[in-house]
Amino acid sequence: SQTIHQWPATLVQPVGSPLSLECTVEGTSNPNLYWYRQAAGRGLQLLFYSVGIGQISSEVPQNLSASRPQDRQFILSSKKLLLSDSGFYLCAWSVGAVPYNEQFFGPGTRLTVL
Amino acid sequence: AQTVTQSQPEMSVQEAETVTLSCTYDTSESDYYLFWYKQPPSRQMILVIRQEAYKQQNATENRFSVNFQKAAKSFSLKISDSQLGDAAMYFCAYNSGYALNFGKGTSLLVTP
Repeated sequence: SQTIHQWPATLVQPVGSPLSLECTVEGTSNPNLYWYRQAAGRGLQLLFYSVGIGQISSEVPQNLSASRPQDRQFILSSKKLLLSDSGFYLCAWSVGAVPYNEQFFGPGTRLTVL
Repeated sequence: AQTVTQSQPEMSVQEAETVTLSCTYDTSESDYYLFWYKQPPSRQMILVIRQEAYKQQNATENRFSVNFQKAAKSFSLKISDSQLGDAAMYFCAYNSGYALNFGKGTSLLVTP
């Protein structure tokens, strides 16, 4: 069966510090991978998605970046965090060339920028 | 741009009763998928049910069913025989490409 891991679960960082959130998927090959952000009381906003190693598409311009160094690893980064980067970050995966398939989410990372 | 609207910020239902959560969406696409996700206090998003737009038959998963009205662009979720474990945020989502477009969610409270 497939599982998705995210770490850390919780993170408190000062403004201007760097960020690295990691997501890994097990039990599937060549998944589509996604990073979403959920602000307090809001739905999810897609930040990045990747259909293969080294292939990253950005949906929202910001000071965040994403990388996919391995097939089942997806990393969200920032060189300098802003207060507005606080939120709940969710990684998700789906399979298939057709993008309509349902997405399965990880447990999330709660990021607080002070 | 596609938008998803959930007009009920909060809903309440008694245990064993039935509740319907509303969702409307705006799109010019003809082929797309619709989903309902549940987010319990743990905050992990859990898929509840999905509906393909080309299928006229409403999807059903155990106590969960949808009322899909394509012409009206409406996609409501009905929860029958509500249980305490159904208490959560429920998000409606639309997918016509890689991105899932989410509504703002409905908080469901289940009372004993």
